Amino acid sequence: AQSVTQPDIHITVSEGASLELRCNYSYGATPYLFWYVQSPGQGLQLLLKYFSGDTLVQGIKGFEAEFKRSQSSFNLRKPSVHWSDAAEYFCAVGGSGNTPLVFGKGTRLSVIA
Amino acid sequence: KAGVTQTPRYLIKTRGQQVTLSCSPISGHRSVSWYQQTPGQGLQFLFEYFSETQRNKGNFPGRFSGRQFSNSRSEMNVSTLELGDSALYLCASRLQGANTEAFFGQGTRLTVV
Repeated sequence: AQSVTQPDIHITVSEGASLELRCNYSYGATPYLFWYVQSPGQGLQLLLKYFSGDTLVQGIKGFEAEFKRSQSSFNLRKPSVHWSDAAEYFCAVGGSGNTPLVFGKGTRLSVIA
Repeated sequence: KAGVTQTPRYLIKTRGQQVTLSCSPISGHRSVSWYQQTPGQGLQFLFEYFSETQRNKGNFPGRFSGRQFSNSRSEMNVSTLELGDSALYLCASRLQGANTEAFFGQGTRLTVV
């Protein structure tokens, strides 16, 4: 069965600084990988996804993520963080055969002035 | 195109009661999944329905059940509520299988007192 680890529970960055959120997955075959963002009391919004092809994927709101098979990682990055990026971020992995999405426990991002 | 709609948004129930939550997926989406989100456990998969059949099931007690109708709308039911069932319940719809992204509703916040 697949699993996801997000090692950082909470990260604080200054507005304008760069951001990297870590995600490690476990899955025996080629995974389908996702990053979602959740604002307080809201549902999850898809930021980006990786199915195949280019290992660097671009998403909405200026986010990107890089799939590294050798490291079983799919880290999320943003070159310059805005105060509105403060939220909780979830990495998720899915596999073939209609398996359900499995989520990491999330990383809460705080942005300070 | 309308998004995923969950009703009600908020519920307060007493221990021992039962509750039914509703989810209307995006038009044309045949897969509906349910997740329980709590601060300590993150997002935990409950079950997935596809074309009125349960396709996947998570590790929850039998008090949690669901169904899907021919129009793809889904309901989940929790019987004999416990305090620990207090959570945000999220519904996600997908077009079909694992290689399609999941779109989430805003969730139903259930409080058991």
